[in-house]
Amino acid sequence: EAQVTQNPRYLITVTGKKLTVTCSQNMNHEYMSWYRQDPGLGLRQIYYSMNVEVTDKGDVPEGYKVSRKEKRNFPLILESPSPNQTSLYFCASSLIGSPITEAFFGQGTRLTVV
Amino acid sequence: GQQVMQIPQYQHVQEGEDFTTYCNSSTTLSNIQWYKQRPGGHPVFLIQLVKSGEVKKQKRLTFQFGEAKKNSSLHITATQTTDVGTYFCAGETGANNLFFGTGTRLTVIP
Repeated sequence: EAQVTQNPRYLITVTGKKLTVTCSQNMNHEYMSWYRQDPGLGLRQIYYSMNVEVTDKGDVPEGYKVSRKEKRNFPLILESPSPNQTSLYFCASSLIGSPITEAFFGQGTRLTVV
Repeated sequence: GQQVMQIPQYQHVQEGEDFTTYCNSSTTLSNIQWYKQRPGGHPVFLIQLVKSGEVKKQKRLTFQFGEAKKNSSLHITATQTTDVGTYFCAGETGANNLFFGTGTRLTVIP
């Protein structure tokens, strides 16, 4: 079954404690992206990647890091989480093309930073 | 960065009424996609529009892409309680990156 898997689904952590949210897709997609969803602000892009070892900043990259060492995985790293990073996070993947194909989303990770 | 705005932000309708959400981009788009997110769920792809002026229908849903490829709309005829959720548009400028709109949350009152 084609899917994007995020872990964990829920996470409560304390300010400053490094954490990683994993994202994996089994569709051999080149494009992967991270979004955060906050009330009234829609889906804001954090980072995206067009392929292995190629990553670019989105609209709200501050406080986040990503890596793309393998095509299937695109982890989101918060080196020193702060309360303003409390949000619902989604990972998505697509096939690059002309146009780009539909995005498949993970189930989401609800992060609370206290 | 790329701006994709949607209006309205919220919409409450009586079951059976129509609903429309509008998506506007600050730049010309190569294509636009629409997604639906059920409460507590993740966004799920509905449709993609590529051509200027394109209109597509899926049962009670009608999608339009503007002539200038800077705006789009989603119209639902005779809403049902199953239509509840947040609807997002997502635009691509040709650089293989999707920019999502702010979303419209639809509530349907039985």
